Amino acid sequence: TQLLEQSPQFLSIQEGENLTVYCNSSSVFSSLQWYRQEPGEGPVLLVTVVTGGEVKKLKRLTFQFGDARKDSSLHITAAQPGDTGLYLCAGAGGTSYGKLTFGQGTILTVHP
Amino acid sequence: GAGVSQSPSNKVTEKGKDVELRCDPISGHTALYWYRQSLGQGLEFLIYFQGNSAPDKSGLPSDRFSAERTGGSVSTLTIQRTQQEDSAVYLCASSLFQTNTEAFFGQGTRLTVV
Repeated sequence: TQLLEQSPQFLSIQEGENLTVYCNSSSVFSSLQWYRQEPGEGPVLLVTVVTGGEVKKLKRLTFQFGDARKDSSLHITAAQPGDTGLYLCAGAGGTSYGKLTFGQGTILTVHP
Repeated sequence: GAGVSQSPSNKVTEKGKDVELRCDPISGHTALYWYRQSLGQGLEFLIYFQGNSAPDKSGLPSDRFSAERTGGSVSTLTIQRTQQEDSAVYLCASSLFQTNTEAFFGQGTRLTVV
């Protein structure tokens, strides 16, 4: 069974601070996706990283896929209250071909 | 439709009753997934379909849970003899292919067993 360990589980910061969320596994994934979920809604895809070592930037968000394709990170620069939400990483492929394996999620709260 | 549609959006049922949750995926999406989410937590995989077949149903918690998909489109998740621990948000997602492609989620069905 492939598992994704996401940390931290909770993050409460002030507007303007930087933060990093980690997603780690002992298994190799063919790709890793990051989703953001707001209350009462389903998760929405932010980015997919496919190549080991890949770095993708989405405005103030930077996503990195580990060289061995076992881990990933999400870094947010100068967080805004609008960034508040549940962030989920999900691994695709590997031995769990055909399903997305999700981490436990990180609940981010950005205070004005 | 434009997105993944789930119904009902909320369901309150008595312990021991059966419930059916429905998912209408995006037209043309071959893969369909069911996940369960407890309050503020990650997503627990239940089952996924490729077309009408379910190659992986390993996440179904017990034999009280079953799912089917017909016509490569609509899927129904059935929970028999509901228990209080079944209370959660049940999320459905579809994607164009099996992996490495974006999964589009519905808004979920919030199931409360009283």
